[in-house]
Amino acid sequence: DGGITQSPKYLFRKEGQNVTLSCEQNLNHDAMYWYRQDPGQGLRLIYYSQIVNDFQKGDIAEGYSVSREKKESFPLTVTSAQKNPTAFYLCASSITGGDYGYTFGSGTRLTVV
Amino acid sequence: AQRVTQPEKLLSVFKGAPVELKCNYSYSGSPELFWYVQYSRQRLQLLLRHISRESIKGFTADLNKGETSFHLKKPFAQEEDSAMYYCALSGNQGGKLIFGQGTELSVKP
Repeated sequence: DGGITQSPKYLFRKEGQNVTLSCEQNLNHDAMYWYRQDPGQGLRLIYYSQIVNDFQKGDIAEGYSVSREKKESFPLTVTSAQKNPTAFYLCASSITGGDYGYTFGSGTRLTVV
Repeated sequence: AQRVTQPEKLLSVFKGAPVELKCNYSYSGSPELFWYVQYSRQRLQLLLRHISRESIKGFTADLNKGETSFHLKKPFAQEEDSAMYYCALSGNQGGKLIFGQGTELSVKP
């Protein structure tokens, strides 16, 4: 069953801690993306990667970090430097170019307690 | 700067009524435009792409370059159309999508 899997579904973090959100795809897509979804603000791009071992900052990269060591995986770390990390995080993948649209994961809801 | 604007946060219509979800964009080149939909408790999914000129679930969208718009239309709304709709633009920047703020469509019986 091809698709994109995000884990965990819910994540709680104490202030000052780093947490890592997992995103795995078996669609053989070259490109992967991380978005943050907040009510009334749509989806904002955090980081994206078009090829293994390469990634670029999106519009709101501050306080986040990523890696792309394997084609299938694109984990996102929310660091303690992120001022307002409570949000819904969406991972997506696409063939190179993205013109055929994205496949999205089911998301991770992060709450800082 | 690239931008996608969806002016309506919430659109409420009655079943059987026509519906139009507005989307305006700002882009200097030739954009690729998309509509995505997120039904309750489901993943965000692609609804349609302008380049394919297709009709999905009765929805259509026409790219108007003069007005820089890509409005989503359906002649007769159904209750199952109730969802969050996002307009998105892809330029010449490696396929990354710029999303609008989203419009929540509520179809009342």
